[in-house]
Amino acid sequence: GDSVTQMEGPVTLSEEAFLTINCTYTATGYPSLFWYVQYPGEGLQLLLKATKADDKGSNKGFEATYRKETTSFHLEKGSVQVSDSAVYFCALSNRGSTLGRLYFGRGTQLTVWP
Amino acid sequence: DTAVSQTPKYLVTQMGNDKSIKCEQNLGHDTMYWYKQDSKKFLKIMFSYNNKELIINETVPNRFSPKSPDKAHLNLHINSLELGDSAVYFCASSQEAIAGGFGTQYFGPGTRLLVL
Repeated sequence: GDSVTQMEGPVTLSEEAFLTINCTYTATGYPSLFWYVQYPGEGLQLLLKATKADDKGSNKGFEATYRKETTSFHLEKGSVQVSDSAVYFCALSNRGSTLGRLYFGRGTQLTVWP
Repeated sequence: DTAVSQTPKYLVTQMGNDKSIKCEQNLGHDTMYWYKQDSKKFLKIMFSYNNKELIINETVPNRFSPKSPDKAHLNLHINSLELGDSAVYFCASSQEAIAGGFGTQYFGPGTRLLVL
């Protein structure tokens, strides 16, 4: 079945450090891939998405490229800020699955220190 | 304007009680969802409704019953609350897949349920 695996946290970085959070997926066909972010005490927000192979999603300095050959969608940011501290979720949605269903990874807690 | 709203934000109650959580979306979406997030932040889908019709019904105790009076509302009623029901419950909505498209899900702020 469809699934997402993302690196376990927590991840702790200093401000301005480079961030990578790994995400790989298992799916039949051509899924769409997403990164959602959850700030403390809030609901999830879409951070970025990519709907086909080689697409790059980007937002707020974060980027992720849909790599079909490695079934990956790693999240990167060149210089993190304290305000980026949050939980990050990788997710996929597949045409072949139940209408609209999102498969989430387990989330990666990121803490950025000044 | 709040896109997806939930009430209450916090809910503290005793074991055995019955409680409801309400969700409303003003985005004009036709699909709504309920998720449960445990203390380790793991998100598990519980239910999904499309145009008031139940689409996803995961392995959830039948003490949990969703109700969708119209497309803009999806409420969650929980009977005989147990300690293990303590979690954060999120409502979400999306405009469902059209040819070649996938609806982004928009989440509410969550309801933090604590069962004592």
